[in-house]
Amino acid sequence: EVQLVESGGGLIQPGGSLRVSCAASGFTVSRNYMSWVRQAPGKGLEWVSVIYSDGSGGSTYYADSVKGRFTISRDSSKNTLYLQMNSLRADDTAVYYCARRRVNSYGPLDFDFWGQGTLVTVSS
Amino acid sequence: QTVVTQEPSLTVSPGGTVTLTCASSTGAVTSGYYPNWFQQKPGQAPRALIFSTNNKHFWTPARFSGSLLGGKAALTLSDVQPEDEADYYCLLYYSDSHLGVFGGGTKLTVL
Repeated sequence: EVQLVESGGGLIQPGGSLRVSCAASGFTVSRNYMSWVRQAPGKGLEWVSVIYSDGSGGSTYYADSVKGRFTISRDSSKNTLYLQMNSLRADDTAVYYCARRRVNSYGPLDFDFWGQGTLVTVSS
Repeated sequence: QTVVTQEPSLTVSPGGTVTLTCASSTGAVTSGYYPNWFQQKPGQAPRALIFSTNNKHFWTPARFSGSLLGGKAALTLSDVQPEDEADYYCLLYYSDSHLGVFGGGTKLTVL
């Protein structure tokens, strides 16, 4: 059974750093395209970042709003996806979801499974 | 900056049919944007409904269908049920930049 469990959210001051995690079970993270999506309180979904599978070169891409501040990565030994967030701002406050691309799908963002999300609050 | 536009809100009667659309500021939406559709109910994570324009996940009810319509991606709900009341989001993939952009979402009311 595929499961994604995010953790690491919390309250952080503006300008600070935080790393959120997404522990996967039922499949191998490194063999799949994985993304982070966020949702500010009361707002819509925003795609944040994607990391391609090892077989596709492991490339990473970022939304303009986070480029240069956020880094997506994975640890194969822990089967876990990460999002390192630096220089955090108030408008980064959101629930952060990880999502898996459907196996053997053509679209890089053809998500099937999502985690339940972890809340990051940036405030002084 | 690329903008993906959806109807902010729609209302449909139980048993009726409704079509939600998803437009790109860059021009006509084609299959190359791999449109995806997601449903989100209050307090829940999004749930995937449609991928790559018109493909259903095994859990997607048959009354949901995806298509391209008049230069937009479209999600049609037939025989709408009360439990279909939710927010619906489309997601487009821009292959030139390898980026994804969500639409602003459509709040569907079943009344």
